[in-house]
Amino acid sequence: KQEVTQIPAALSVPEGENLVLNCSFTDSAIYNLQWFRQDPGKGLTSLLLIQSSQREQTSGRLNASLDKSSGRSTLYIAASQPGDSATYLCAGDDGGATNKLIFGTGTLLAVQP
Amino acid sequence: DGGITQSPKYLFRKEGQNVTLSCEQNLNHDAMYWYRQDPGQGLRLIYYSQIVNDFQKGDIAEGYSVSREKKESFPLTVTSAQKNPTAFYLCASSIGFAGGRSTGELFFGEGSRLTVL
Repeated sequence: KQEVTQIPAALSVPEGENLVLNCSFTDSAIYNLQWFRQDPGKGLTSLLLIQSSQREQTSGRLNASLDKSSGRSTLYIAASQPGDSATYLCAGDDGGATNKLIFGTGTLLAVQP
Repeated sequence: DGGITQSPKYLFRKEGQNVTLSCEQNLNHDAMYWYRQDPGQGLRLIYYSQIVNDFQKGDIAEGYSVSREKKESFPLTVTSAQKNPTAFYLCASSIGFAGGRSTGELFFGEGSRLTVL
């Protein structure tokens, strides 16, 4: 059964710093891996989707990579800004025939001005 | 604008009452999902639907019911049988399935917060 773990649970950095958020999963048969952002009391906003044949995706200051052999995905945020402060969640599917995404518990990021 | 609309944003329920959470999407997506989010836990899947008039139980379906009579609508009823219904409920959709696999990103609504008094 797929399990997804995110480390660290919380992170505080000064503005302008580059940072990496980590996500590990137990089932290397993962098909899709998706990164989300969640602001307090809000829904999830999709950031990046890495599909089966892909190894990484980039959008603006964000870059996500997926290494199935090691069971890891990383989200790299360049030149962090206070507006990046939020909870970041990764989710991987269970390798089955449905989009049953398994979510990690998230990393709470605070970017200090 | 295309998106997913959940209502109400906040809902209070007395014990023993059923309540229904609305989810509407205008993205023309075939697949729709309901998740529950509790503090300190990852999102957990309640029900999902791949196509109109069809839905399947997720990991925590007990005490919940759904219907999918229209492509754009997937309401969730929290019944009195749900022992701990206080939570944040999130509806999501994706474009659909091909060959048994999801074919796209998962998009979420803004959520509905249910509190049992």
